[in-house]
Amino acid sequence: EAGVAQSPRYKIIEKRQSVAFWCNPISGHATLYWYQQILGQGPKLLIQFQNNGVVDDSQLPKDRFSAERLKGVDSTLKIQPAKLEDSAVYLCASSPPEGSGRGQYFGPGTRLTVL
Amino acid sequence: KNEVEQSPQNLTAQEGEFITINCSYSVGISALHWLQQHPGGGIVSLFMLSSGKKKHGRLIATINIQEKHSSLHITASHPRDSAVYICAVSRLKGNTDKLIFGTGTRLQVFP
Repeated sequence: EAGVAQSPRYKIIEKRQSVAFWCNPISGHATLYWYQQILGQGPKLLIQFQNNGVVDDSQLPKDRFSAERLKGVDSTLKIQPAKLEDSAVYLCASSPPEGSGRGQYFGPGTRLTVL
Repeated sequence: KNEVEQSPQNLTAQEGEFITINCSYSVGISALHWLQQHPGGGIVSLFMLSSGKKKHGRLIATINIQEKHSSLHITASHPRDSAVYICAVSRLKGNTDKLIFGTGTRLQVFP
C-alpha cells in the first residue's frame, strides 16, 4: 500500500510570511494527525482529525496555525504569519479504523526553516 | 517529569556491537511503539507491542507492563542503523489513539 504522502519536503521562508503543508494519508485511514517536531525534541501533536472533524486541537497555536481536512481525505496545515520558533519538522500521520491496533503511520515530514 | 523517558540520549557504537535503548513510562498505556527517524525527518514504525517480545531481523523489542519499561535491542549493529530511535506510548482517548513521545535516542554506529 502507498504510504503517507507529504509535500513539500523542505521549505525556507522569512518570518511573517505564510506557508502551507499538504498531507495525503493512507487510503482508508480515517484518523489524521499533524505533529510539530522541534530539533532535539519528540513530536508534539498539533491537531487530530477523525474523518473531517477535529478530535483534538488543544496544542495548536490558533492565532497563527490552521488546518483543514475538508473531504475527510487529504489535509493542509497553514502557518500565517510564521515566527522563528516555528522552524521544525512537520509530520503527518494516519491510522487505520479504531480497534485495528495497528498504530500510526508517518509521512516523510516537511522541514520548515524560518529565517 | 516527562511521561515517557528514554536512555541514553546519545549513543555511539562500533559496527558489530550489541545495542540497548531503554524506555520507561509513567502512565497507563494501550501499546508501546518504537520508531526510527533518519536525518531527513521521516519516521518509520519499527514495533508496536503491548506485551512480551517482538523480533524483526536484527531488532528485538521487549516490554514489561508491570515495571512500565521497554527495551529496544539491535544485534550486530551496522552504520546504516544510525538514526534517532523514539519510544512512544499509546493512550486511548475516546475512540482514538493518542501518542506520547519520548525525546529520542540518537545512535551513531561507526565502521
